[in-house]
Amino acid sequence: EPEVTQTPSHQVTQMGQEVILRCVPISNHLYFYWYRQILGQKVEFLVSFYNNEISEKSEIFDDQFSVERPDGSNFTLKIRSTKLEDSAMYFCASRTGRAYEQYFGPGTRLTVT
Amino acid sequence: AQSVTQPDIHITVSEGASLELRCNYSYGATPYLFWYVQSPGQGLQLLLKYFSGDTLVQGIKGFEAEFKRSQSSFNLRKPSVHWSDAAEYFCAVGAPDGQNFVFGPGTRLSVLP
Repeated sequence: EPEVTQTPSHQVTQMGQEVILRCVPISNHLYFYWYRQILGQKVEFLVSFYNNEISEKSEIFDDQFSVERPDGSNFTLKIRSTKLEDSAMYFCASRTGRAYEQYFGPGTRLTVT
Repeated sequence: AQSVTQPDIHITVSEGASLELRCNYSYGATPYLFWYVQSPGQGLQLLLKYFSGDTLVQGIKGFEAEFKRSQSSFNLRKPSVHWSDAAEYFCAVGAPDGQNFVFGPGTRLSVLP
């Protein structure tokens, strides 16, 4: 069964550094999402992406964040200058054009020191 | 704006006992409703979904959920819990335009042998 994959599984970075989190959505999916889950808290929406542009973003998704689909298979989340409070699990999700359920990857745990 | 509440932060049941996890939502129209499960260190797996039609929906792993419009609820049930069901359960609501999900805070399920 096709799955959403994410790399790396765990990333440790220093405050102020740039990080890129990578996701490979399911191949025939058209909508892509990033969510984050701070330890012990609920899953929060960051951004949705369709047709090579952002379709919706939350107030969390400020100028430090960007997303890209560089090559038709990968979907990346970049954090330009990480802060301690960016430490969280980041989930990528995707869905087809017709069904509304989203399929989630296993997540990348980002630790900012 | 959409919102989801899960009143129970942590539930403990004995193996073989029945289970009901509560979910209440706030949304102006008929929402799309989902239950996801997150095992420790894992991503989010879709258990079941409700879009329309029969208000009792069946999912994977023997779970079912019932949509009750009058109570704005979408409670998850299982008649006999297995030790492998120990996990975090998240209720989510999505708008019909298929954009971002709003997740509840989650209910952690512990299963006693």
